[in-house]
Amino acid sequence: NAGVTQTPKFQVLKTGQSMTLQCAQDMNHNSMYWYRQDPGMGLRLIYYSASEGTTDKGEVPNGYNVSRLNKREFSLRLESAAPSQTSVYFCASIADSYEQYFGPGTRLTVT
Amino acid sequence: EDQVTQSPEALRLQEGESSSLNCSYTVSGLRGLFWYRQDPGKGPEFLFTLYSAGEEKEKERLKATLTKKESFLHITAPKPEDSATYLCAVDLGNFNKFYFGSGTKLNVKP
Repeated sequence: NAGVTQTPKFQVLKTGQSMTLQCAQDMNHNSMYWYRQDPGMGLRLIYYSASEGTTDKGEVPNGYNVSRLNKREFSLRLESAAPSQTSVYFCASIADSYEQYFGPGTRLTVT
Repeated sequence: EDQVTQSPEALRLQEGESSSLNCSYTVSGLRGLFWYRQDPGKGPEFLFTLYSAGEEKEKERLKATLTKKESFLHITAPKPEDSATYLCAVDLGNFNKFYFGSGTKLNVKP
């Protein structure tokens, strides 16, 4: 099992460009999450998906959109990147036992 | 308003020097409190879930405890490989929405 995978690992964007961060899990989990992690601020929830076909906003959704493509995949889209979106982005899924599994992260820089 | 506060922000220990990390929360209706370990450049790794005051969980040199307002992660006789950032998170029962603290960066020197 690969667990939770994320692509790309690194990305540099110019202000105003768009991109999609991809996430996939092979553990048959229902719920998936997108977080951002900034120095000194811990992890903040952007969006989550409780099950295939549903998505909901977290603490910091502005500037982002998500798609739960199927049970395995949950993507995060930045339509018009801003320097304030420079961060490390983590995708996660949660097991029935409440254990949350995280991907390796995408390091995004917006110049 | 911070809902989850971790202290200290950073902790330096000598190998074998036991200590505790604190996670306090200012919310009601706690459904669960979670501890994670995060190594540099990697995603957090699950350690423990605690559900009710008085509960304790252990794993190797780590023991997590929970009271009504805070949780402690006790590290007994730490080794350099225990160096990492330790994160705690709470679930307020709002459909598995987790709120994370900013973490404690632990450095264990040999």
